[in-house]
Amino acid sequence: NAGVTQTPKFQVLKTGQSMTLQCAQDMNHEYMSWYRQDPGMGLRLIHYSVGAGITDQGEVPNGYNVSRSTTEDFPLRLLSAAPSQTSVYFCASSYQDRGTTEAFFGQGTRLTVV
Amino acid sequence: DAKTTQPNSMESNEEEPVHLPCNHSTISGTDYIHWYRQLPSQGPEYVIHGLTSNVNNRMASLAIAEDRKSSTLILHRATLRDAAVYYCIPTGNQFYFGTGTSLTVIP
Repeated sequence: NAGVTQTPKFQVLKTGQSMTLQCAQDMNHEYMSWYRQDPGMGLRLIHYSVGAGITDQGEVPNGYNVSRSTTEDFPLRLLSAAPSQTSVYFCASSYQDRGTTEAFFGQGTRLTVV
Repeated sequence: DAKTTQPNSMESNEEEPVHLPCNHSTISGTDYIHWYRQLPSQGPEYVIHGLTSNVNNRMASLAIAEDRKSSTLILHRATLRDAAVYYCIPTGNQFYFGTGTSLTVIP
């Protein structure tokens, strides 16, 4: 049982480049989310999905796209990377049980935009 | 989503109990109170959650005020491995993290 797997672990991009951060979970969870964490800050929600084919925006969605074609995968696309998107990105998946949920997080992708 | 207030940092001696407070005065009646922690260079991990009653698990205890406007995470015997940032998150489905409390454990 791998849990939540994020790839790559590290990435350096040039300003204006695009890329996709991958996230996969093998727990059959309905909910998946993407967060970014800037130095010394808490996590901020970028986008989330409550099931295949359904996505919604979080606190800081600008500059990012998501799609959810399968239960297992929830990729995050940076359309045109900017230095302000330098951050650590975490993907999470979660289930819902009697009105609450427990989230499982990946190990993160450290992205630097130069 | 409910706003939370947590101390920026706390210190504890190893093997001593630690009480991490959280104020969430705008919590809705259906929001559970979740606690997560983030060890250095790792993703957050679940610690405990509760709705109204106090809760215990192998990692910690959660004491919830009767009016649900505050809660306290209790680590019964702090170890060096407990040094982390602790986040209190009142929520239904989505998690909105604040800045949490950075716990330092002193040997």
